[in-house]
Amino acid sequence: AQTVTQSQPEMSVQEAETVTLSCTYDTSESDYYLFWYKQPPSRQMILVIRQEAYKQQNATENRFSVNFQKAAKSFSLKISDSQLGDAAMYFCAYRSELFQGGSEKLVFGKGTKLTVNP
Amino acid sequence: GAVVSQHPSRVICKSGTSVKIECRSLDFQATTMFWYRQFPKQSLMLMATSNEGSKATYEQGVEKDKFLINHASLTLSTLTVTSAHPEDSSFYICSAPGLAGGRGDTQYFGPGTRLTVL
Repeated sequence: AQTVTQSQPEMSVQEAETVTLSCTYDTSESDYYLFWYKQPPSRQMILVIRQEAYKQQNATENRFSVNFQKAAKSFSLKISDSQLGDAAMYFCAYRSELFQGGSEKLVFGKGTKLTVNP
Repeated sequence: GAVVSQHPSRVICKSGTSVKIECRSLDFQATTMFWYRQFPKQSLMLMATSNEGSKATYEQGVEKDKFLINHASLTLSTLTVTSAHPEDSSFYICSAPGLAGGRGDTQYFGPGTRLTVL
């Protein structure tokens, strides 16, 4: 079974600075998807960024980028120019590439609480 | 695109009563939906996979008779908490794999339902 580990329960960053959230995973599959979701105090889960494992290029979405190291099974999230609105819980998630048999379900890490200091 | 709604957003009920939570995919069809439970300051725990036109698949340890799931159409799944007790108080979230934009591999989440059982 796949597992996702977020080793940083809490992180803090100064506004306008850069912060990196760590995520490692364990799988025997070669094709899969990785995601970072953000959960602000409203508790609405918001997709931040996604990465297909077959793509070597790291995904980027505006101020958010990932460092995907497939061999090391590492998927860290970098937030540049941090803003107060970035304060939230961040969850790393894994999804099998398969489209059947319940494999569409996400496996979540325990989350990292990010605080942004003004 | 890929909007998921939940109703109600909050519900308070007396112990022993049943509560129904609806999850709708507003702008896409979802043959599969997922139901999660989240305790304060914890990650999402998958409860079950809801399949349109067939029985739901429950995760180990989740009581099928306690948490009834019905996926009667391609846009609606319901979770009924039967004979609710205070320990069922939690935040319940649904999600669906989005098909909008071809991204069936990405799950989109509803805003969640906070259930309080007195």
